[in-house]
Amino acid sequence: AQKITQTQPGMFVQEKEAVTLDCTYDTSDPSYGLFWYKQPSSGEMIFLIYQGSYDQQNATEGRYSLNFQKARKSANLVISASQLGDSAMYFCAMREYPGNEKLTFGTGTRLTIIP
Amino acid sequence: GAVVSQHPSWVICKSGTSVKIECRSLDFQATTMFWYRQFPKQSLMLMATSNEGSKATYEQGVEKDKFLINHASLTLSTLTVTSAHPEDSSFYICSARVGPGSYEQYFGPGTRLTVT
Repeated sequence: AQKITQTQPGMFVQEKEAVTLDCTYDTSDPSYGLFWYKQPSSGEMIFLIYQGSYDQQNATEGRYSLNFQKARKSANLVISASQLGDSAMYFCAMREYPGNEKLTFGTGTRLTIIP
Repeated sequence: GAVVSQHPSWVICKSGTSVKIECRSLDFQATTMFWYRQFPKQSLMLMATSNEGSKATYEQGVEKDKFLINHASLTLSTLTVTSAHPEDSSFYICSARVGPGSYEQYFGPGTRLTVT
């Protein structure tokens, strides 16, 4: 079964608009962590934001926020005031605890910001 | 923030030869490093987890005799693709975890391998 699902293969957004990238996950563990990474065309994976399953508040990092809806198993990334430099692939990932180190990635969403 | 480097950034080799890719944590010690593979326009797939001083743990379906992983020190892990074939052409990315209490993995810039 797919553990991380990203249903939007591609998105086009006007510059300065907000954008929401969808991510749903599947786990039976009560303890887990959710991550978002950005991968520009150069290939490196850039960590954006983290949400722990027990965190009471939604994570925020600058223009990035994570809309965490635990009951729906949803962890959408919201980028406010999009910029041209936001154009990239975005991956949602999950790490299950305890003891399991590995990250399981979704298939990614290619975001293109239009000037 | 923590920096992870990879060398080489790209390599072209002939079929049948072996290629070694290095992953280094530059400003921290990493007891655990991870090796991922990414095909064009696809997601990252974990190949193996590398622990310093012990054998790597390979994911199901990954040939450990073909993809040799060595984690000889707290700052260096190597992936050797032995007897490479064109189907091994891919983007290989390593990541490192700062420590047991850290949730974050820092990724290297990746190595693009092309086997001709």
